Amino acid sequence: DAEITQSPRHKITETGRQVTLACHQTWNHNNMFWYRQDLGHGLRLIHYSYGVQDTNKGEVSDGYSVSRSNTEDLPLTLESAASSQTSVYFCASSEQGAHQNEAFFGQGTRLTVV
Amino acid sequence: GNSVTQMEGPVTLSEEAFLTINCTYTATGYPSLFWYVQYPGEGLQLLLKATKADDKGSNKGFEATYRKETTSFHLEKGSVQVSDSAVYFCALSPFSSNTGKLIFGQGTTLQVKP
Repeated sequence: DAEITQSPRHKITETGRQVTLACHQTWNHNNMFWYRQDLGHGLRLIHYSYGVQDTNKGEVSDGYSVSRSNTEDLPLTLESAASSQTSVYFCASSEQGAHQNEAFFGQGTRLTVV
Repeated sequence: GNSVTQMEGPVTLSEEAFLTINCTYTATGYPSLFWYVQYPGEGLQLLLKATKADDKGSNKGFEATYRKETTSFHLEKGSVQVSDSAVYFCALSPFSSNTGKLIFGQGTTLQVKP
């Protein structure tokens, strides 16, 4: 069965360190997204990609970057981790071409910055 | 701009009670509307969706009707079970975007007691 997996599931890091969260999907979807989930805010879009070599900033992109070298993977990098980036991060993918297409989510990565 | 507002939780119900979670939205044009559910420790999964005015989405006993005149998409279930305890997110995908970006409400936590 196709799936979308994130790693690690839990991560504790120190302020100022660079951190990379992995996302891998086997749906063969062109669209991939990174969201962060915080109490009172729901999920907010960080970055997204519509295909290989394409990346775009979302609503809360400051301090984050992504790269898309193949269809399956969209790693999220925190350049210099800050306490404000403590959150739960979700990766998602969907088929391209229609705004009503379902998004499939990974199980999330809980990141704590100390 | 586009936005989604959900009723604040948590919502605590007894088993077999009737559930309503309110959701209203602001958007231009005709967005697609979704309800996603997040069970403890898991990622989000699609519960139901509606893509045009007066459409009713339904799944697992849950229903929601796309009301253009009141810009609402309230989630209902006639008889909740303990297994329905989860966080419920209302979301929209703007009509102008065919690329699957989602705008989420804050989420509503539902706890069902035996």
